[in-house]
Amino acid sequence: GAGVSQSPSNKVTEKGKDVELRCDPISGHTALYWYRQRLGQGLEFLIYFQGNSAPDKSGLPSDRFSAERTGESVSTLTIQRTQQEDSAVYLCASSPQGGTNTEAFFGQGTRLTVV
Amino acid sequence: GESVGLHLPTLSVQEGDNSIINCAYSNSASDYFIWYKQESGKGPQFIIDIRSNMDKRQGQRVTVLLNKTVKHLSLQIAATQPGDSAVYFCAERPGGSYIPTFGRGTSLIVHP
Repeated sequence: GAGVSQSPSNKVTEKGKDVELRCDPISGHTALYWYRQRLGQGLEFLIYFQGNSAPDKSGLPSDRFSAERTGESVSTLTIQRTQQEDSAVYLCASSPQGGTNTEAFFGQGTRLTVV
Repeated sequence: GESVGLHLPTLSVQEGDNSIINCAYSNSASDYFIWYKQESGKGPQFIIDIRSNMDKRQGQRVTVLLNKTVKHLSLQIAATQPGDSAVYFCAERPGGSYIPTFGRGTSLIVHP
């Protein structure tokens, strides 16, 4: 597609369940980011992938959070044993390269609600 | 740095007015800055960027000003339209880093 695609758009899950969120970046973009956005707040960095390099996981809030990316394609963000504080919009972005002067293009996000 | 809270700063303007949205960034090592617009239910959308070797950059109806001395960034929107109503975020990226850090955002409300 022309833009970053995320699925599902909305996810409601019960506390304690695992969830998996998917991101399809723009074709050819080597860099991929995951951010979390709580209601009324800014974007909180979670993880960054660049090509085949080891990901920067410095933003992951706990070991319940993990992410994978196969090459320069799809990424999945997994949250295990979800908690109510995990409720947020999870945003994925990609950029053409990991260079310092390239903006990131965002998907529409996945709204996660933990009940 | 900016404090975290439930209520975003809000700027209300009349249609046709010029709007100025301000952002204070925290890292003096940041050398690349970006403004994003986020409409309700959508992901952030790129508006304009500026490098640290510049102090002003203009786009279509938008201008970004950078004051490195006081670590301040502003976004000016000329002839604001109802479609400009959204939350606006500034992002900074330190030299050598690939990870943009976002501010809390400002909600712009344009009244017809």
